[in-house]
Amino acid sequence: AQKVTQAQTEISVVEKEDVTLDCVYETRDTTYYLFWYKQPPSGELVFLIRRNSFDEQNEISGRYSWNFQKSTSSFNFTITASQVVDSAVYFCALSAFSTSGTYKYIFGTGTRLKVLA
Amino acid sequence: AAGVIQSPRHLIKEKRETATLKCYPIPRHDTVYWYQQGPGQDPQFLISFYEKMQSDKGSIPDRFSAQQFSDYHSELNMSSLELGDSALYFCASSFRDRAYEQYFGPGTRLTVT
Repeated sequence: AQKVTQAQTEISVVEKEDVTLDCVYETRDTTYYLFWYKQPPSGELVFLIRRNSFDEQNEISGRYSWNFQKSTSSFNFTITASQVVDSAVYFCALSAFSTSGTYKYIFGTGTRLKVLA
Repeated sequence: AAGVIQSPRHLIKEKRETATLKCYPIPRHDTVYWYQQGPGQDPQFLISFYEKMQSDKGSIPDRFSAQQFSDYHSELNMSSLELGDSALYFCASSFRDRAYEQYFGPGTRLTVT
């Protein structure tokens, strides 16, 4: 079964605090892709990062960093020095290969992040 | 760079009416996907098309149908609308051989009253 679990439903932090959003995935595929998306109140899905299963290097982009660990099937996302503009729902997603020969995205249930001024 | 275009962006319909959502993929993308996101939920895969043929199907109600046209744009037709159909509908597109890399449109917010 293909599954993405985001156990944190909602997190509240005070501005400038660091915050880590957890993501655990399940897949039997040897090749797969993981993503993080940000969904602000306006509703669009903003792409943040893509990782393939062969690339376990951690990545840092400005205040954002990602920790991918195949051993624990986790792909966690950290925001350093959070800002009010980071307030949004964050989705972790898995690109799952289907028997029809194409892919579909499986999303976690999302984590609502509230950054308080 | 051109992105996925969805129209309309907002749509209000009454119960039992019909709605048609349109999706224009990124130029040269040949595969289109539809996702539905209910209030407070995560996006759920509905259906996908490649070269005008349905390539995969998720939990799409029988009241919904979709197709892809020769110019690769796609339409999602929803009939006998129910209150529970109120949701954000996302279209995504990709190249067939890079289907793991889907680009999402801004979504159409459908409200059924």
